[in-house]
Amino acid sequence: AQKITQTQPGMFVQEKEAVTLDCTYDTSDQSYGLFWYKQPSSGEMIFLIYQGSYDEQNATEGRYSLNFQKARKSANLVISASQLGDSAMYFCAMRSNNAGNMLTFGGGTRLMVKP
Amino acid sequence: DAGVIQSPRHEVTEMGQEVTLRCKPISGHNSLFWYRQTMMRGLELLIYFNNNVPIDDSGMPEDRFSAKMPNASFSTLKIQPSEPRDSAVYFCASSFRLSGENTEAFFGQGTRLTVV
Repeated sequence: AQKITQTQPGMFVQEKEAVTLDCTYDTSDQSYGLFWYKQPSSGEMIFLIYQGSYDEQNATEGRYSLNFQKARKSANLVISASQLGDSAMYFCAMRSNNAGNMLTFGGGTRLMVKP
Repeated sequence: DAGVIQSPRHEVTEMGQEVTLRCKPISGHNSLFWYRQTMMRGLELLIYFNNNVPIDDSGMPEDRFSAKMPNASFSTLKIQPSEPRDSAVYFCASSFRLSGENTEAFFGQGTRLTVV
């Protein structure tokens, strides 16, 4: 079975500063994908960034980057230059072929950006 | 593409009534997920289809819940009879699954269900 853990229920960050949201995962599979989603107060789930388990480089998408440490089974999301619009819930998720390709989510972290 | 389309966006029903939630995945996607989101339990995977076939329904809470995918462009989640504890936001998501690839899923806007 695969499991995703997000240990930070809530975080504050000052506008324009960088913030790291933690995500650890547990799987026995060698091939898997890690994802981050953003859920603003309006409720929709927005895909942010993807990291494959065999990718040697950390994924980046604009102000989002993923700090992938495979040996530690962590996939932390880094948001640079935080903006007020970044205030939202953030979910880490994982898919693996051997787990039936299901998409499993962590409990989420609520990020609040202070002006 | 219009994205994943869910209907209705909001549903209020009385306990004991049948509720049917609908989902149209993105054209060309071959994987479909139904999730339930509550404050207490977060995002729970209810059922997962691949090529219209249910692969894992271990997350379906009980026999009152059923899901179907009669074709690649339509899926339903039915609750019968509904209970107040079923109140939640129900999301449908779809993705294109390649063998050996783990691709992202795209979510619909969700259906907010309230059972009174």
